Amino acid sequence: AQSVAQPEDQVNVAEGNPLTVKCTYSVSGNPYLFWYVQYPNRGLQFLLKYITGDNLVKGSYGFEAEFNKSQTSFHLKKPSALVSDSALYFCAVRPAAYSGGYQKVTFGTGTKLQVIP
Amino acid sequence: SQTIHQWPATLVQPVGSPLSLECTVEGTSNPNLYWYRQAAGRGLQLLFYSVGIGQISSEVPQNLSASRPQDRQFILSSKKLLLSDSGFYLCAWRLEGNRPNTEAFFGQGTRLTVV
Repeated sequence: AQSVAQPEDQVNVAEGNPLTVKCTYSVSGNPYLFWYVQYPNRGLQFLLKYITGDNLVKGSYGFEAEFNKSQTSFHLKKPSALVSDSALYFCAVRPAAYSGGYQKVTFGTGTKLQVIP
Repeated sequence: SQTIHQWPATLVQPVGSPLSLECTVEGTSNPNLYWYRQAAGRGLQLLFYSVGIGQISSEVPQNLSASRPQDRQFILSSKKLLLSDSGFYLCAWRLEGNRPNTEAFFGQGTRLTVV
């Protein structure tokens, strides 16, 4: 069964400092990996995804994520945090191999990012 | 461009009352549609998904049901709400077919409080 772990319930970082939100996954075969952000009382917004190719993926709002196959990780990063980045971040995975029918997406439990002014 | 509408934004309903939440998608055809519930502002629980009109799959047995009367309309219902049905409900869509690498697009959510 596939799974996603976001080991940190909350991450605190000072404004202007680099941030990392961790994600590890387990899936059969190669993964498709996604990051979403959720602001209070809003739906999730897509940030970026890893499909294939370059292990460093760049996304919206200056975020990037690094795919590490050997460590089965897909950590979200940003070089300089903004107060407006404070939100809930979700990592998600689904298998890359298409076997017909619905392919389940598994979400992590979310990591709350707090950027301190 | 594609947009997703979900309403109402907030809802307070008494125990035992019926429920109907609606979600519509514009600007695309034959999307896969999803209903999620998010408890306590955290993890997402997939409730239902639909790959086409009238095709509904349930992920978790519960007090809720879903219907897809039109290609871009997805409805979440209950005949009698329970206190445990309280939560944040999210509708989402995704173009799939044979492309599992597409991302999902979420509605703004409905905050349901059952009292």
